[in-house]
Order: sequence, then structure tokens, then C-alpha cells
Amino acid sequence: DTAVSQTPKYLVTQMGNDKSIKCEQNLGHDTMYWYKQDSKKFLKIMFSYNNKELIINETVPNRFSPKSPDKAHLNLHINSLELGDSAVYFCASSPQRTGELFFGEGSRLTVL
Amino acid sequence: KNEVEQSPQNLTAQEGEFITINCSYSVGISALHWLQQHPGGGIVSLFMLSSGKKKHGRLIATINIQEKHSSLHITASHPRDSAVYICAVRRGNEKLTFGTGTRLTIIP
Repeated sequence: DTAVSQTPKYLVTQMGNDKSIKCEQNLGHDTMYWYKQDSKKFLKIMFSYNNKELIINETVPNRFSPKSPDKAHLNLHINSLELGDSAVYFCASSPQRTGELFFGEGSRLTVL
Repeated sequence: KNEVEQSPQNLTAQEGEFITINCSYSVGISALHWLQQHPGGGIVSLFMLSSGKKKHGRLIATINIQEKHSSLHITASHPRDSAVYICAVRRGNEKLTFGTGTRLTIIP
């Protein structure tokens, strides 16, 4: 069973559309994250949730809205997609006790 | 200047060589992570450490908190070790700041 799973793995869409990426973890972790990896492979934190509460919101346009319906899920909704949103988005989770990170496989978003 | 600097950016070595990748950071941290990203794109956590040294198989990670420096060593390197190795530091809250990665290629 995949510990941290993201869907879809690949997403190609037009500028201006709205899309969502879903993330689920079955590890019982308290904290979940969204990271963005740009074309230069640089990773950057976007959001962090702890027990469904937002604790980190980096300088991300408000077109990006995370939603955590429960501790095991953290979804990312993106409105009015722009070319610059093209990237690989990684979901991750960690137990509060150790902070060790477990990553999903990534979702490659291409905006045309 | 990035808060987390890695060196070298690219490293090519022969199979069997001893590999060292360095990470320097400029802020106070609560922990440091070493991650591995294979060409397929998936990211795996190798180590999380806040002091001293950790070993897992052929991989060794060390950290010197006073010098704000960490190293990742690979002994008896193998082509399957070819990947991007990323250092990331965790500050007091949950935020991780990442280095730009070191691309390692091991030639058979």
C-alpha cells in the first residue's frame, strides 16, 4: 500500500482553468505538506497543515487554496491557472514526534 | 544567497569511489534532512539528524551544529546511487528550506 498517494500523477490543462490535486496518507501522521518543485528542480514549501489546521502558508498566490477535510487528506486547488504554475507538486507527511518526511510520488502539472 | 548551500552542484564518479556531498546553512535549525530524488522523480528521505552522525547501509550523514555544516557520504558507490541529493533544514516551526541539490552520477 502506498503510504502517501497523490492523484493525478500528470495533469495537462489550459491557462485559466481550475484544477485540483489530491493527497492522502495512510500513516496516521499529524502533519501534511505541499511542496512545489520548479523547472530547475528547486523545492519550496507552499503549505503545511497539522491536524487539519493551517500552520504554514508561504508566499503563495491566493489562487492556491489547500483543503484538509481530515488528518489523512490534504488537497490542493488551483484557480485561474497560469503558465508559471507548471511544476511538479509534492505532497508529504510527517509524524509530529520525529518530523521524518514521507513524500508522495509527485504530480506534474503542465499549463498550456 | 540561499540559506542552504550545497556543493558540489554536480558530481560524476567511478563505481566504487567514496562520495562526499556537503551542505552549509546560515540559520539556526532544529534538524537537517538529506533527501534523494531519483531520475523517475520520486523523493525519499534518507536521514534526519540534529547532531552527530547517522549510518544506514553504505550511507553516512554527519552534522556539525557549531559550524552549520553537514555531509553525506556514500561508501563503495554504485550506479544505482545516481540521483539528486537534497539537503533541507528545519527551523523551529514546521518550515523546511531546501538546498538546490547535488546531481550525482556514478559510472560503471
